[in-house]
Amino acid sequence: AQKITQTQPGMFVQEKEAVTLDCTYDTSDPSYGLFWYKQPSSGEMIFLIYQGSYDQQNATEGRYSLNFQKARKSANLVISASQLGDSAMYFCAMREGLNNDMRFGAGTRLTVKP
Amino acid sequence: EAQVTQNPRYLITVTGKKLTVTCSQNMNHEYMSWYRQDPGLGLRQIYYSMNVEATDKGDVPEGYKVSRKEKRNFPLILESPSPNQTSLYFCASSLRWTSGQETQYFGPGTRLLVL
Repeated sequence: AQKITQTQPGMFVQEKEAVTLDCTYDTSDPSYGLFWYKQPSSGEMIFLIYQGSYDQQNATEGRYSLNFQKARKSANLVISASQLGDSAMYFCAMREGLNNDMRFGAGTRLTVKP
Repeated sequence: EAQVTQNPRYLITVTGKKLTVTCSQNMNHEYMSWYRQDPGLGLRQIYYSMNVEATDKGDVPEGYKVSRKEKRNFPLILESPSPNQTSLYFCASSLRWTSGQETQYFGPGTRLLVL
């Protein structure tokens, strides 16, 4: 069974608008971490934001925030005020337990329109 | 500057010729990982390490070896490469803060072609 699901293969957003990229996960471990990454067309992987399962508040990092809904097992990435440079692939990932075993979603390609 | 370096960045080799992809981080991170990225299959973890001399298999460890003799280095070894190991490889290191927060850094990637 898929541990991490990203249901949106592609998304479009108008420059300066906000966009939400969906991510759902599946685990029975009470301790886990959720990650979002950006991969521009140049190929590098950029870590964006992290949310621990015990964190009470949603993680935020500049224009990025993680909408963490534990009961629904969702960890959506919200990008506010989109910029043309936000056009990229975005991956959601989960680490279960305290080890370093990671699982990734299939990714969402975001295109920001001018 | 905090960074993860990988070498080589690009490599073309032939089946069966042993190779090593080096990975080094200058941040004194305990946690390091290797991933491969393939079209249609996404990112998959090959091996990870929780600290020196502590490594463990990820999702797709077959055909790979790793070692962690020093904290900063985590080389990926392909003893007998095969064409199905043609891929884009990423090394990453991470820091887990006592607050529970975590930060990760990725290397620039190594593009490997096995003929």
